[in-house]
Amino acid sequence: GENVEQHPSTLSVQEGDSAVIKCTYSDSASNYFPWYKQELGKRPQLIIDIRSNVGEKKDQRIAVTLNKTAKHFSLHITETQPEDSAVYFCAAHRGGGSYIPTFGRGTSLIVHP
Amino acid sequence: DTGVSQDPRHKITKRGQNVTFRCDPISEHNRLYWYRQTLGQGPEFLTYFQNEAQLEKSRLLSDRFSAERPKGSFSTLEIQRTEQGDSAMYLCASSWTSGTNNEQFFGPGTRLTVL
Repeated sequence: GENVEQHPSTLSVQEGDSAVIKCTYSDSASNYFPWYKQELGKRPQLIIDIRSNVGEKKDQRIAVTLNKTAKHFSLHITETQPEDSAVYFCAAHRGGGSYIPTFGRGTSLIVHP
Repeated sequence: DTGVSQDPRHKITKRGQNVTFRCDPISEHNRLYWYRQTLGQGPEFLTYFQNEAQLEKSRLLSDRFSAERPKGSFSTLEIQRTEQGDSAMYLCASSWTSGTNNEQFFGPGTRLTVL
């Protein structure tokens, strides 16, 4: 089955700095890669996603890059703000008409004012 | 609120008791997923439905767990003879899956504590 590794497990930055979270996956058939933000005690919410036919996607301060050959994808947050503090999860969905995601273990991002 | 809802939000039970959780997805969504999340981990897939059909179950889902979606709308997850290891957050998510759309919307979860 799919295996998703996520690093780092914790990331502490100063407000205004950039933050990068990396994930690797094992199943080359995976074709959809979402990122979720989960604030303490709340539900995971999709913040950005990328499909296997695209190398990069941006949405304001958030971007995701995908390297299919190396089987890794990364979340980039620029100009971080204290409200970006949360746990971020990556996931990889296997293809072939199945939409089952495998999640990474999460990265706790702390943005210090 | 037109998002995914779950009931109850919290459940405390004694070991050996049965518990049932309910999930109401976004009304037009055809897929419904159940996940389990423990502290410091990402959600782990348990099972999913397309309409009323249960299409896949994880190996994590022991025979004490059963899920239904009888009319293709709300779903229930039952755990029989609960064990302390069942303590976790149980998340439900739904999606309208067609073509290349995979986005899932999560509910607030049911936190289960087994004493």
